[in-house]
Amino acid sequence: NAGVTQTPKFQVLKTGQSMTLQCAQDMNHEYMSWYRQDPGMGLRLIHYSVGAGITDQGEVPNGYNVSRSTTEDFPLRLLSAAPSQTSVYFCASSRDRGLSNQPQHFGDGTRLSIL
Amino acid sequence: AQSVTQLDSQVPVFEEAPVELRCNYSSSVSVYLFWYVQYPNQGLQLLLKYLSGSTLVKGINGFEAEFNKSQTSFHLRKPSVHISDTAEYFCAVTPSGGYQKVTFGTGTKLQVIP
Repeated sequence: NAGVTQTPKFQVLKTGQSMTLQCAQDMNHEYMSWYRQDPGMGLRLIHYSVGAGITDQGEVPNGYNVSRSTTEDFPLRLLSAAPSQTSVYFCASSRDRGLSNQPQHFGDGTRLSIL
Repeated sequence: AQSVTQLDSQVPVFEEAPVELRCNYSSSVSVYLFWYVQYPNQGLQLLLKYLSGSTLVKGINGFEAEFNKSQTSFHLRKPSVHISDTAEYFCAVTPSGGYQKVTFGTGTKLQVIP
């Protein structure tokens, strides 16, 4: 039972480079989201999706793009990496698009450093 | 919009002692409340949740939390902590009804001292 799988676990980029953080879930969950976690700031929502083909912005979307072509996958793209994007990124999913009482299942995170 | 305040960034406690991690929230509508735990180098795992009904909620690993609407609080408690409880704990809130964005607190690091 894999749950939510994030790859890579670690990545170092140079300023200006682009990359894609992968997220896949095998629970047939409708809702998926991306957060970044920074010291003393908790988790902040970057983008989310309530189903295939539907995405929306969260609290801190600038510099990131997402797409949701399948139920299983929700990649996060950094267009032109900046040092301010150094963070730990978490992908999460939950069962239903319409129920805020559903807890989220989290991946183990991607630790990203931008030099 | 809602907000969550975790008053303590770090809480040291001796093994087998009780612990309370504090969480206060602000919202103009009714809410659902969650506590998550994050072990080192892992994602967040759900400890417990309050949706409605009894204000005392029991979760995994012997944790419980009490919803206090008048004080807008949802404090997490454990009567006797173990070394394995060393982790970071996050309180989260979302407006009830329909899917709404979850707001997380800044986290409390629980350090259990042998």
